[in-house]
Amino acid sequence: AQKITQTQPGMFVQEKEAVTLDCTYDTSDPSYGLFWYKQPSSGEMIFLIYQGSYDQQNATEGRYSLNFQKARKSANLVISASQLGDSAMYFCAMREGRFKGGSEKLVFGKGTKLTVNP
Amino acid sequence: DSGVTQTPKHLITATGQRVTLRCSPRSGDLSVYWYQQSLDQGLQFLIQYYNGEERAKGNILERFSAQQFPDLHSELNLSSLELGDSALYFCASSVLGEEDQPQHFGDGTRLSIL
Repeated sequence: AQKITQTQPGMFVQEKEAVTLDCTYDTSDPSYGLFWYKQPSSGEMIFLIYQGSYDQQNATEGRYSLNFQKARKSANLVISASQLGDSAMYFCAMREGRFKGGSEKLVFGKGTKLTVNP
Repeated sequence: DSGVTQTPKHLITATGQRVTLRCSPRSGDLSVYWYQQSLDQGLQFLIQYYNGEERAKGNILERFSAQQFPDLHSELNLSSLELGDSALYFCASSVLGEEDQPQHFGDGTRLSIL
């Protein structure tokens, strides 16, 4: 079963508008972390924002915020005031089992390609 | 700039050959991860090292191996290369501690098998 699901292969948004990229996850571990990464066409992976499973408040980093709904197992990324430079692939990732002494590997979704139109 | 350095950026080689990808983690990061990104499989975890020791293995083929050296740089060795090994290979590093820390990725090595 897929651990991370990103249901939007592609999204379009007008410059200066807000956009929400969806991410749902599947885990039975009470301790996990959720991450969003941006991959521009040049290929590098850029860390954007992190949400821990025990965090009481939604994470925010500048124009990025995470709409974390634990009961629904969703961690949607909200980008406010979109800019042309936001056009990229966006990946949601999860890390499980942090306190079990296991790997801190990330499991990634398939990504959403965001296009910002002028 | 993530602080993670990967070399080379591009590698073109033929089937059956062997290549070595190199990664220098961010200063202070003891943990190194290798990921493979391909069109059909997406981003997949290969292997993790922590302070020189293998910590976890993912979907890494037996033809692939890795190691982390005392200076903490890591190498991923790919042998008997096949066309399907063409992919973008990422190295990431992180600090392991009480706080959950993100993994910071290098720019990747794009491997093309002809």
